[in-house]
Amino acid sequence: DTEVTQTPKHLVMGMTNKKSLKCEQHMGHRAMYWYKQKAKKPPELMFVYSYEKLSINESVPSRFSPECPNSSLLNLHLHALQPEDSALYLCASSPGPSGRAQETQYFGPGTRLLVL
Amino acid sequence: AQTVTQSQPEMSVQEAETVTLSCTYDTSESNYYLFWYKQPPSRQMILVIRQEAYKQQNATENRFSVNFQKAAKSFSLKISDSQLGDTAMYFCASKTSGSRLTFGEGTQLTVNP
Repeated sequence: DTEVTQTPKHLVMGMTNKKSLKCEQHMGHRAMYWYKQKAKKPPELMFVYSYEKLSINESVPSRFSPECPNSSLLNLHLHALQPEDSALYLCASSPGPSGRAQETQYFGPGTRLLVL
Repeated sequence: AQTVTQSQPEMSVQEAETVTLSCTYDTSESNYYLFWYKQPPSRQMILVIRQEAYKQQNATENRFSVNFQKAAKSFSLKISDSQLGDTAMYFCASKTSGSRLTFGEGTQLTVNP
């Protein structure tokens, strides 16, 4: 089973709202990732958690706040977003430490976010 | 630093025919992995195939196979007996130790009936 689930599937929010995206995997993977993807472009890495510790933050604005409550769950808290933050947000997981070359990432279906 | 280049932004193929998507990469590392991901209109990113640089044998998954030319740093994807469900954006990607997964810009493949 290589399933990563994400909720919600779609989200519309105003610039003053606070919302959260959720990602879950039950494959025993120890690394989890957040990506942002604009239409017709490759995903851009935002954050990496390896063994529940934040290992990479790609200089993402503070209006995005990641959280990894346990090894199966990854959240992305959103606050005071801008219209340009509208995108598909993808979560992924990989079996072992994120730094290893052989770590294959398995992606969830994504959350389509629209900021008005 | 790694780079991945996909020189074909768009391609089309007739159903049941064979198509090859090109990818070149550049890395100074000796230990690396290469991947092809498929992203259909639903936008779920699906792993198609994975190749370990140390393995000379080309990876194969059903109708999908790669032509891995290590000296030329080329990693093309061949899709045989194309099906309508193969219509998707295809991303080539590479991963070395200690680095992020690096994607190419993608190739939009359309399979026509």
